[in-house]
Amino acid sequence: QKEVEQDPGPLSVPEGAIVSLNCTYSNSAFQYFMWYRQYSRKGPELLMYTYSSGNKEDGRFTAQVDKSSKYISLFIRDSQPSDSATYLCAMMRSSASKIIFGSGTRLSIRP
Amino acid sequence: EAQVTQNPRYLITVTGKKLTVTCSQNMNHEYMSWYRQDPGLGLRQIYYSMNVEVTDKGDVPEGYKVSRKEKRNFPLILESPSPNQTSLYFCASSPSVGGPHEQYFGPGTRLTVT
Repeated sequence: QKEVEQDPGPLSVPEGAIVSLNCTYSNSAFQYFMWYRQYSRKGPELLMYTYSSGNKEDGRFTAQVDKSSKYISLFIRDSQPSDSATYLCAMMRSSASKIIFGSGTRLSIRP
Repeated sequence: EAQVTQNPRYLITVTGKKLTVTCSQNMNHEYMSWYRQDPGLGLRQIYYSMNVEVTDKGDVPEGYKVSRKEKRNFPLILESPSPNQTSLYFCASSPSVGGPHEQYFGPGTRLTVT
């Protein structure tokens, strides 16, 4: 079993919809939770990170962590065609440990 | 411009021929890391470095070497490449020792080993 599981998609939604992207994990020691966005032929870029549990909001993006369920989510409000990309979740136990990525979810926003 | 650079961007080589992929950052970052990205497997960490002369294994270190002799450079060395190391490689750096989650990625190096 992988430490981090992520549905690969593809996920296709109409412009303006709310998008929900999710990851589950098995290691209860994870403390840092990150979301990266990767456009085709580019390196990933950090969207958001949270430490431990709770929510974090940044513009149209909201990250949620539920440690009791070992489940993290990224919500995108008012989705735009420019949000079309692959979204990767990532986790780590501490600031000095290795980072484990999910396999990524490919998202397409239809105009 | 603040950035992470990798060279070469594309490389085709043969089995067993030693190669080095260079990575350099101009942001004075402490933390640097190498990843490989394969379809269906996502990004997997090869090695990371918390600081100069300090390196540690990631998830898939076999067949790779790294060195961190100076803060800005973190080369990835394949002593004897094999076809299963054909992949897309990314270097990344982070501004804080206490928070390597804030990583900035390079543009990637596509390696093909025949």
